[in-house]
Amino acid sequence: QKEVEQDPGPLSVPEGAIVSLNCTYSNSAFQYFMWYRQYSRKGPELLMYTYSSGNKEDGRFTAQVDKSSKYISLFIRDSQPSDSATYLCAMNGSGKLTFGQGTILTVHP
Amino acid sequence: ETGVTQSPTHLIKTRGQQVTLRCSSQSGHNTVSWYQQALGQGPQFIFQYYREEENGRGNFPPRFSGLQFPNYSSELNVNALELDDSALYLCASSETSLVAFEQFFGPGTRLTVL
Repeated sequence: QKEVEQDPGPLSVPEGAIVSLNCTYSNSAFQYFMWYRQYSRKGPELLMYTYSSGNKEDGRFTAQVDKSSKYISLFIRDSQPSDSATYLCAMNGSGKLTFGQGTILTVHP
Repeated sequence: ETGVTQSPTHLIKTRGQQVTLRCSSQSGHNTVSWYQQALGQGPQFIFQYYREEENGRGNFPPRFSGLQFPNYSSELNVNALELDDSALYLCASSETSLVAFEQFFGPGTRLTVL
């Protein structure tokens, strides 16, 4: 069993839709939870990170962590075609990042 | 402020050859981590260097080795290349190894092994 599981999709939504991306994990030692966005042929860029259970909002993005269920989510409101990318969840344990497989998101006009 | 840069952008090697990939960390960052990202997969941690010393290693064989220089730039060396080594190799730098959640990634080097 992988330490971090992420549905690879692909996910295709119309512009303006609310997108929900999810990951589950098995390692209780993970302390930080991150979401990265990766455009084609580019390196991942950090979108958001959280430490504790609960919600964290940044513009159209909301990150949610439930440590008791070992489940994290990223919500994108009013999705735009420019949001089309691969979204990677990642978790930090002792300095290294453990990534999910990534979800390919396409937002069509 | 200069971001993380990697060279070369892409290269093609044949099985059994050796390759060296290079990374310049972001200004002020003393920690460099290397990741391998196979097609359709998330990045996999190879190893991390902190102040020129290896500071953690993932599940990769010894033919994957690295160096970090006094200016905190880094190299990843892979010997005896195998077909499965074909991937995007990502370098990420951070201010410290202690709380490394803010790792800034370079654009990657795409390696193809024939």
